[in-house]
Amino acid sequence: SQTIHQWPATLVQPVGSPLSLECTVEGTSNPNLYWYRQAAGRGLQLLFYSVGIGQISSEVPQNLSASRPQDRQFILSSKKLLLSDSGFYLCAWSRGPSYNEQFFGPGTRLTVL
Amino acid sequence: GQQVMQIPQYQHVQEGEDFTTYCNSSTTLSNIQWYKQRPGGHPVFLIQLVKSGEVKKQKRLTFQFGEAKKNSSLHITATQTTDVGTYFCAGPTGNQFYFGTGTSLTVIP
Repeated sequence: SQTIHQWPATLVQPVGSPLSLECTVEGTSNPNLYWYRQAAGRGLQLLFYSVGIGQISSEVPQNLSASRPQDRQFILSSKKLLLSDSGFYLCAWSRGPSYNEQFFGPGTRLTVL
Repeated sequence: GQQVMQIPQYQHVQEGEDFTTYCNSSTTLSNIQWYKQRPGGHPVFLIQLVKSGEVKKQKRLTFQFGEAKKNSSLHITATQTTDVGTYFCAGPTGNQFYFGTGTSLTVIP
Protein backbone atom coordinates (compact mmCIF):
# COMPACT_ATOMS: atom_id res chain seq x y z
CA SER A 1 0.00 0.00 0.00
CA GLN A 2 1.01 3.60 -0.52
CA THR A 3 1.92 6.00 2.24
CA ILE A 4 2.93 9.64 2.26
CA HIS A 5 5.09 11.24 4.91
CA GLN A 6 5.64 14.87 5.79
CA TRP A 7 7.90 16.43 8.36
CA PRO A 8 8.09 18.24 10.57
CA ALA A 9 4.53 18.19 11.88
CA THR A 10 4.81 21.66 13.39
CA LEU A 11 7.33 24.43 12.95
CA VAL A 12 7.80 27.89 14.42
CA GLN A 13 10.24 30.08 12.55
CA PRO A 14 11.27 33.74 12.78
CA VAL A 15 10.70 36.12 9.91
CA GLY A 16 13.62 36.05 7.49
CA SER A 17 14.73 32.54 8.34
CA PRO A 18 14.98 29.76 5.72
CA LEU A 19 12.51 26.92 5.33
CA SER A 20 12.72 23.33 4.18
CA LEU A 21 9.74 20.98 4.30
CA GLU A 22 10.08 17.45 3.04
CA CYS A 23 7.55 15.02 1.64
CA THR A 24 8.14 11.41 0.63
CA VAL A 25 5.85 8.82 -0.89
CA GLU A 26 6.21 5.07 -0.52
CA GLY A 27 4.65 2.21 -2.41
CA THR A 28 4.25 3.82 -5.82
CA SER A 29 6.45 5.02 -8.64
CA ASN A 30 6.39 8.16 -10.79
CA PRO A 31 3.62 9.85 -8.82
CA ASN A 32 2.37 13.37 -9.47
CA LEU A 33 3.29 15.43 -6.44
CA TYR A 34 1.68 18.59 -5.10
CA TRP A 35 2.29 21.24 -2.47
CA TYR A 36 -0.70 23.12 -1.07
CA ARG A 37 -1.06 25.84 1.52
CA GLN A 38 -4.13 26.29 3.67
CA ALA A 39 -4.57 29.44 5.73
CA ALA A 40 -6.53 29.08 8.98
CA GLY A 41 -10.18 28.34 8.22
CA ARG A 42 -9.65 28.68 4.50
CA GLY A 43 -9.47 26.55 1.38
CA LEU A 44 -6.48 24.95 -0.27
CA GLN A 45 -4.19 26.91 -2.54
CA LEU A 46 -2.08 24.90 -4.98
CA LEU A 47 1.52 26.11 -4.81
CA PHE A 48 3.51 23.64 -6.92
CA TYR A 49 3.02 20.41 -8.74
CA SER A 50 5.45 18.00 -10.33
CA VAL A 51 4.98 15.24 -12.89
CA GLY A 52 8.54 13.94 -12.67
CA ILE A 53 12.05 14.40 -11.33
CA GLY A 54 13.23 17.97 -11.83
CA GLN A 55 9.88 19.02 -13.35
CA ILE A 56 8.18 21.70 -11.25
CA SER A 57 5.25 23.92 -12.17
CA SER A 58 4.48 26.95 -10.04
CA GLU A 59 0.90 28.07 -9.63
CA VAL A 60 1.35 31.20 -7.54
CA PRO A 61 4.26 33.68 -7.53
CA GLN A 62 5.74 33.83 -4.06
CA ASN A 63 8.99 33.57 -2.17
CA LEU A 64 8.69 29.79 -2.05
CA SER A 65 10.31 27.21 -4.31
CA ALA A 66 10.00 23.47 -4.77
CA SER A 67 12.34 20.74 -5.88
CA ARG A 68 12.03 17.07 -6.72
CA PRO A 69 15.46 15.52 -6.41
CA GLN A 70 14.13 11.96 -6.44
CA ASP A 71 11.07 10.26 -7.87
CA ARG A 72 9.21 10.09 -4.56
CA GLN A 73 10.66 13.11 -2.76
CA PHE A 74 9.26 16.62 -2.91
CA ILE A 75 10.77 19.54 -1.04
CA LEU A 76 9.32 22.98 -0.33
CA SER A 77 11.82 25.72 0.46
CA SER A 78 12.20 29.38 1.17
CA LYS A 79 15.30 31.51 1.59
CA LYS A 80 13.56 34.12 3.76
CA LEU A 81 10.19 33.52 5.39
CA LEU A 82 7.52 36.21 5.57
CA LEU A 83 4.75 36.53 8.14
CA SER A 84 2.27 35.73 5.37
CA ASP A 85 3.91 32.34 4.86
CA SER A 86 2.24 31.03 8.02
CA GLY A 87 -0.24 28.27 7.34
CA PHE A 88 -0.86 24.56 7.01
CA TYR A 89 1.29 23.04 4.27
CA LEU A 90 0.04 19.87 2.69
CA CYS A 91 1.81 17.53 0.33
CA ALA A 92 -0.24 15.23 -1.87
CA TRP A 93 0.31 12.64 -4.57
CA SER A 94 -1.76 11.19 -7.37
CA ARG A 95 -1.36 8.68 -10.12
CA GLY A 96 -0.59 10.24 -13.49
CA PRO A 97 -1.11 11.54 -16.03
CA SER A 98 -3.68 14.12 -15.00
CA TYR A 99 -5.22 15.44 -11.81
CA ASN A 100 -6.66 12.22 -10.48
CA GLU A 101 -7.75 11.65 -6.90
CA GLN A 102 -5.15 12.99 -4.56
CA PHE A 103 -3.84 11.48 -1.36
CA PHE A 104 -2.69 13.93 1.24
CA GLY A 105 0.02 13.76 3.84
CA PRO A 106 -0.56 14.77 7.47
CA GLY A 107 0.65 18.32 6.83
CA THR A 108 3.04 20.77 8.50
CA ARG A 109 1.72 23.65 10.58
CA LEU A 110 4.07 26.57 10.06
CA THR A 111 3.98 29.67 12.22
CA VAL A 112 6.20 32.57 11.24
CA LEU A 113 6.78 35.07 14.05
CA GLY B 1 -10.04 34.17 -13.26
CA GLN B 2 -11.09 30.63 -12.53
CA GLN B 3 -13.15 30.20 -9.39
CA VAL B 4 -14.75 27.27 -7.65
CA MET B 5 -17.22 28.48 -5.08
CA GLN B 6 -19.12 26.49 -2.52
CA ILE B 7 -22.19 27.42 -0.58
CA PRO B 8 -22.90 27.64 2.22
CA GLN B 9 -19.57 28.50 3.83
CA TYR B 10 -20.80 27.22 7.19
CA GLN B 11 -23.71 24.96 8.16
CA HIS B 12 -24.92 23.94 11.59
CA VAL B 13 -27.45 21.10 11.72
CA GLN B 14 -29.07 19.04 14.40
CA GLU B 15 -28.02 15.43 14.36
CA GLY B 16 -30.42 13.54 12.11
CA GLU B 17 -31.10 16.48 9.80
CA ASP B 18 -30.02 16.47 6.18
CA PHE B 19 -27.19 18.57 4.76
CA THR B 20 -26.31 19.76 1.27
CA THR B 21 -23.32 21.67 -0.07
CA TYR B 22 -23.22 23.12 -3.55
CA CYS B 23 -20.17 23.60 -5.73
CA ASN B 24 -20.05 25.96 -8.71
CA SER B 25 -17.20 26.46 -11.15
CA SER B 26 -16.81 29.36 -13.55
CA THR B 27 -15.47 26.95 -16.20
CA THR B 28 -16.15 23.37 -17.25
CA LEU B 29 -14.38 20.73 -15.18
CA SER B 30 -13.00 17.48 -16.55
CA ASN B 31 -14.15 15.72 -13.41
CA ILE B 32 -15.30 16.63 -9.93
CA GLN B 33 -13.75 15.27 -6.79
CA TRP B 34 -14.96 15.58 -3.22
CA TYR B 35 -12.78 15.62 -0.13
CA LYS B 36 -13.50 15.72 3.59
CA GLN B 37 -11.23 17.38 6.10
CA ARG B 38 -11.82 16.72 9.76
CA PRO B 39 -10.88 19.51 12.20
CA GLY B 40 -7.11 19.50 12.59
CA GLY B 41 -6.68 16.87 9.91
CA HIS B 42 -5.84 16.63 6.25
CA PRO B 43 -8.21 16.29 3.29
CA VAL B 44 -9.34 12.76 2.52
CA PHE B 45 -10.61 11.78 -0.91
CA LEU B 46 -14.26 10.72 -0.97
CA ILE B 47 -15.26 10.23 -4.57
CA GLN B 48 -14.76 11.28 -8.19
CA LEU B 49 -17.45 11.85 -10.81
CA VAL B 50 -16.56 12.10 -14.46
CA LYS B 51 -19.70 11.97 -16.59
CA SER B 52 -22.17 14.76 -17.15
CA GLY B 53 -25.21 14.26 -14.92
CA GLU B 54 -23.56 11.44 -12.99
CA VAL B 55 -24.91 10.50 -9.57
CA LYS B 56 -23.07 8.33 -7.07
CA LYS B 57 -23.99 7.20 -3.58
CA GLN B 58 -21.90 6.19 -0.62
CA LYS B 59 -24.18 5.05 2.20
CA ARG B 60 -25.80 8.31 3.41
CA LEU B 61 -23.85 10.52 0.97
CA THR B 62 -25.15 11.34 -2.51
CA PHE B 63 -22.92 13.11 -5.03
CA GLN B 64 -24.12 14.69 -8.26
CA PHE B 65 -22.25 16.21 -11.21
CA GLY B 66 -24.16 18.78 -13.23
CA GLU B 67 -25.13 18.38 -16.88
CA ALA B 68 -22.82 21.21 -17.92
CA LYS B 69 -20.00 19.84 -15.73
CA LYS B 70 -19.74 23.21 -13.98
CA ASN B 71 -21.54 22.40 -10.77
CA SER B 72 -21.89 19.60 -8.27
CA SER B 73 -23.57 18.82 -4.99
CA LEU B 74 -23.04 16.63 -1.97
CA HIS B 75 -26.06 15.62 0.09
CA ILE B 76 -25.86 13.86 3.43
CA THR B 77 -28.99 12.19 4.74
CA ALA B 78 -29.58 12.01 8.49
CA THR B 79 -26.32 13.57 9.61
CA GLN B 80 -24.28 12.03 12.40
CA THR B 81 -21.62 13.59 14.62
CA THR B 82 -19.00 11.71 12.62
CA ASP B 83 -19.93 13.84 9.59
CA VAL B 84 -18.36 16.91 11.19
CA GLY B 85 -15.70 18.54 9.04
CA THR B 86 -15.13 20.67 5.99
CA TYR B 87 -16.20 19.34 2.61
CA PHE B 88 -14.31 20.48 -0.47
CA CYS B 89 -15.08 19.96 -4.10
CA ALA B 90 -12.17 20.06 -6.55
CA GLY B 91 -11.53 19.54 -10.19
CA PRO B 92 -9.26 20.05 -13.19
CA THR B 93 -9.85 22.46 -16.01
CA GLY B 94 -7.23 22.34 -18.73
CA ASN B 95 -3.87 22.04 -17.02
CA GLN B 96 -5.09 23.64 -13.82
CA PHE B 97 -6.60 22.12 -10.71
CA TYR B 98 -8.80 24.02 -8.28
CA PHE B 99 -10.24 23.34 -4.87
CA GLY B 100 -13.53 24.87 -3.87
CA THR B 101 -13.83 27.27 -0.98
CA GLY B 102 -15.26 24.53 1.26
CA THR B 103 -18.31 24.08 3.47
CA SER B 104 -17.74 23.61 7.17
CA LEU B 105 -20.34 21.30 8.72
CA THR B 106 -21.13 21.27 12.43
CA VAL B 107 -23.48 18.61 13.75
CA ILE B 108 -25.18 19.36 17.05
CA PRO B 109 -25.90 16.20 19.09
